[in-house]
Amino acid sequence: QTVVTQEPSFSVSPGGTVTLTCGLTSGSVSTGYYPTWYQQTPGQAPRTLIYSTNTRSSGVPDRFSGSILGNKAALTITGAQADDESDYYCVLYMSGGSWVFGGGTKLTVL
Amino acid sequence: EVQLLESGGGLVQPGGSLRLSCVVSGFTFDNYAMSWVRQAPGKGLEWVADISGSGADTYYADSVKGRFTISRDNSKNTLYLKTYSLRAEDTAVYYCATRPSGSYFESWGQGTLVTVSS
Repeated sequence: QTVVTQEPSFSVSPGGTVTLTCGLTSGSVSTGYYPTWYQQTPGQAPRTLIYSTNTRSSGVPDRFSGSILGNKAALTITGAQADDESDYYCVLYMSGGSWVFGGGTKLTVL
Repeated sequence: EVQLLESGGGLVQPGGSLRLSCVVSGFTFDNYAMSWVRQAPGKGLEWVADISGSGADTYYADSVKGRFTISRDNSKNTLYLKTYSLRAEDTAVYYCATRPSGSYFESWGQGTLVTVSS
C-alpha cells in the first residue's frame, strides 16, 4: 500500500517563505511520479498550481514554485499572502495508471 | 472557457446505485482523458477512476474496483460514473477533472455530493 505523506499543518508569516513537502512512506519521490500540487479553499474545487514537478499552471503567480528536495517533492511559496491560507494537496502518478493523493497540508498565514 | 458540470448526486441507501454525469464545454472533449476524484466530508482528495480520450482504457482505485464503472459519450461531451453496491464510506463530493496529455488533473468541476445512508 503506497502512502503519500504531507505535513498535516504549517504556518507562515505574511511575506514569509514556506516549503511544503510530499513524500513516500517507502522510497523516494522523483520526477517520474509527475508530482502535482493543488490548492483548495473550503467549499471550493481544487485549483491546479504546479504539475510535472515544477511547471506552473496557467495564471498561477511565480511566487509558487515546485521542485524535488532530497527524496521528496516540494512546493515553495515565496512572499506568502493572506489568501494563500488554504489546504494544499500533492498527488503522485503511479505506474499502471493510478494516482495517490497525500493527506493534505493546512496552511495558516499569520 | 473550460467548464465542467457534475450532476446526479444525492442520498442513496447502502447497497444502492447512482449514475453521476459530467457535462463539459470549452474544449475538444475526445482529446482529453478524464478522471473522477472524490472527497469525503472533512477529508482529503482520493482519485477514483480514469478513462482515456477514446474510452478504450479505464483505470480504477482499488477501493472502487468492481463496484464503479467509468464511461464517456464523446458525441454528448459527457463523462459518467456508474456507482453500484454503495457503502457509507463512499459518501463524498465527486469531482470530474480533465487530464491533458500528461499525468495530472488540470480543470475541475464544482462537484456533486453523494450521501450513502439509511
